Amino acid sequence: DAGVTQSPTHLIKTRGQQVTLRCSPKSGHDTVSWYQQALGQGPQFIFQYYEEEERQRGNFPDRFSGHQFPNYSSELNVNALLLGDSALYLCASSLGQASTLGGYTFGSGTRLTVV
Amino acid sequence: LAKTTQPISMDSYEGQEVNITCSHNNIATNDYITWYQQFPSQGPRFIIQGYKTKVTNEVASLFIPADRKSSTLSLPRVSLSDTAVYYCLVGDMDQAGTALIFGKGTTLSVSS
Repeated sequence: DAGVTQSPTHLIKTRGQQVTLRCSPKSGHDTVSWYQQALGQGPQFIFQYYEEEERQRGNFPDRFSGHQFPNYSSELNVNALLLGDSALYLCASSLGQASTLGGYTFGSGTRLTVV
Repeated sequence: LAKTTQPISMDSYEGQEVNITCSHNNIATNDYITWYQQFPSQGPRFIIQGYKTKVTNEVASLFIPADRKSSTLSLPRVSLSDTAVYYCLVGDMDQAGTALIFGKGTTLSVSS
C-alpha cells in the first residue's frame, strides 16, 4: 500500500522563477493538504484540496496556488519565488473532508532552495 | 484549534522513560488531543490520540487529567531512534476538513 509520494525530493530555483511540486496521495485517500516547513519551525498550513477544489487556505499569498486532478493527485505552484520561500514542502493526504486530526499521512517532502 | 504549549527541547538516555507535557488551557469540549512525531527530512507521523484518561498503543501512552487542560505523552524505554520532534495538537475531530496547526514542537534528543 503506497504512502504519500512527493516529487521532486530536492529542487534549487532562482529568485523570481516559478516552481511546481507534485503529490500523489496514499491509496484510498481523496483529500490533499500542503504545508510549508521552514528550518526549525513546525509545518504551516498552505491549503487543502478536496473534490478538485480548494476548500481551506492558510495565511499564504496568492503566489501560492494549487490544483487537484481527478485521480486525487495534486500540484503546488509558487510564482515569483522569494528567498524566504526556501523550505521543506510537505503534502498530507486524508480520507474525506471530515478527517480526524490523526487521519493524515504525510509524504517526505520536497526541499526547495531559492538562491 | 486550541493553542498548545510544550517544552522546546528535552534530553534523555537510552532505556529511560520520557514524558513530554503539553498545556492546552483553552481546550473545548469537542476537542481531541493528538501527537505527531517528525524525524529529520521526513513528514510528521501520527503517534497517538485521546480525549480523556489514558490511551496506550504499541508506541506510546497518552495521559489526560480530568480537567483536560494538559496532557502527557509517555515514551517507554526510549532508544536512539526516538530522537525526533514531537508535536501536540488539539482540535475538534467533528469539524470537517480540520487543518493541522503545528507549533514548534518538542525536540527530543536521546543519547547512549
